[in-house]
Amino acid sequence: ILNVEQSPQSLHVQEGDSTNFTCSFPSSNFYALHWYRWETAKSPEALFVMTLNGDEKKKGRISATLNTKEGYSYLYIKGSQPEDSATYLCAFLYGGSQGNLIFGKGTKLSVKP
Amino acid sequence: EADIYQTPRYLVIGTGKKITLECSQTMGHDKMYWYQQDPGMELHLIHYSYGVNSTEKGDLSSESTVSRIRTEHFPLTLESARPSHTSQYLCASSRDSGYEQYFGPGTRLTVT
Repeated sequence: ILNVEQSPQSLHVQEGDSTNFTCSFPSSNFYALHWYRWETAKSPEALFVMTLNGDEKKKGRISATLNTKEGYSYLYIKGSQPEDSATYLCAFLYGGSQGNLIFGKGTKLSVKP
Repeated sequence: EADIYQTPRYLVIGTGKKITLECSQTMGHDKMYWYQQDPGMELHLIHYSYGVNSTEKGDLSSESTVSRIRTEHFPLTLESARPSHTSQYLCASSRDSGYEQYFGPGTRLTVT
C-alpha cells in the first residue's frame, strides 16, 4: 500500500517565524512530487511540481527541496505571514508518468499576527 | 486564477434522491479528476478521465458514476444518495498526468 506521510499535522507559529514541514513518500518508482496550498474556503492551489533528485524550487518566501533516494521533501516558509495560514498538501505521482496522485493528510499552518 | 467550476457549492439532500455534481473547466485540459475528502483525511481519488469518452475508477471505491461527453464537462452522479455519501467532493483538471492539477472550490454534500 502506497503511503504519503506529512508531519507535523499542525503547526502554530508567530508572524515572522520561519518554519518547515516534511513529506515522506515511497522512494521506488519515483516520477513526481507535488506541493499544494489549500486556504480555508478556497481551492487547493499548486505550489511546486518536483521531478529531479536534489531539485530545489522557490516561489517568494516558500521553497521546497526533494530527495528521491530517501523519499522525502521539505517545504520551507521564511518569515511566515498571517496570509500563509493554510493546509499544505504534498502528493506523490504513482503508476508511472501517466499515473495519478496520492495525497498526504496535509500540514495545517496557523500564523498569528 | 484557475478556470474550473463546481456547482453546487453546498447541498443538503434526503436519502434516496438522485444527485449530479457539476464540474466544468475552460482550460482545454484532457485529464480530469474527482476526489472525495472526509474531515481530517486525505483527498482520495474516486474517478478520473483521460479525455472524451474515457472514464476510470480511482483508488477509493465509490458508488458514484461519471461521464465525459465533452472535454470541458465531467459531472458526477449518485443514483440514490445515502448518509454514507456525506463528504466533500473536489473536481480537478490537468494538462496531463505529470502536470499540476487545478482544483475547483468543491461541493460539500450532506445526505440526511
